[in-house]
Amino acid sequence: EAQVTQNPRYLITVTGKKLTVTCSQNMNHEYMSWYRQDPGLGLRQIYYSMNVEVTDKGDVPEGYKVSRKEKRNFPLILESPSPNQTSLYFCAVGRQEDSPLHFGNGTRLTVT
Amino acid sequence: GQSLEQPSEVTAVEGAIVQINCTYQTSGFYGLSWYQQHDGGAPTFLSYNGLDGLEETGRFSSFLSRSDSYGYLLLQELQMKDSASYFCAVTAGGYQKVTFGTGTKLQVIP
Repeated sequence: EAQVTQNPRYLITVTGKKLTVTCSQNMNHEYMSWYRQDPGLGLRQIYYSMNVEVTDKGDVPEGYKVSRKEKRNFPLILESPSPNQTSLYFCAVGRQEDSPLHFGNGTRLTVT
Repeated sequence: GQSLEQPSEVTAVEGAIVQINCTYQTSGFYGLSWYQQHDGGAPTFLSYNGLDGLEETGRFSSFLSRSDSYGYLLLQELQMKDSASYFCAVTAGGYQKVTFGTGTKLQVIP
């Protein structure tokens, strides 16, 4: 069964405390991406990766880092979280341009 | 950059047909997709149009006109479970850079 696994589902943290949200996939797909979802703004792309060691900025990359050392994993790193990064985050995985994106179940992050 | 426009809310009656429009501005257009998201859930893929015309999948159809930078999602025989948010998304460039619209919240009423 195709799976995109995100952890944790919920996270409450304080300003400045580094955190990592993990994403892994079992589909052997090349493309992985992170989105944040905020009311009225839809899904905005943070970073994406076309393959191992190949990453690029999306529309809202400020304050985030990613890495793609293995094909199956694409962690999202917040080095110094701030309250404006409070959001719902989704990892998405795809095979190629005309194939569907498979989404993880989401991570609801609150930064106080 | 890319921008997409879709209505923020639509209300329709159970059993009826509803059309959700999406217009976009982008360079290097590759294709238009539609996703459904129920409250508290993750987006799930509905359909993809790479070429002009209509794609049909059961009760759902999607249409694309590349010359008009326009597409729509058509939902027929509406059911209460179709109440959800619907997002159009554009794939552009030589890479899979996918940009989503802000979503249309569909409410199906009895």
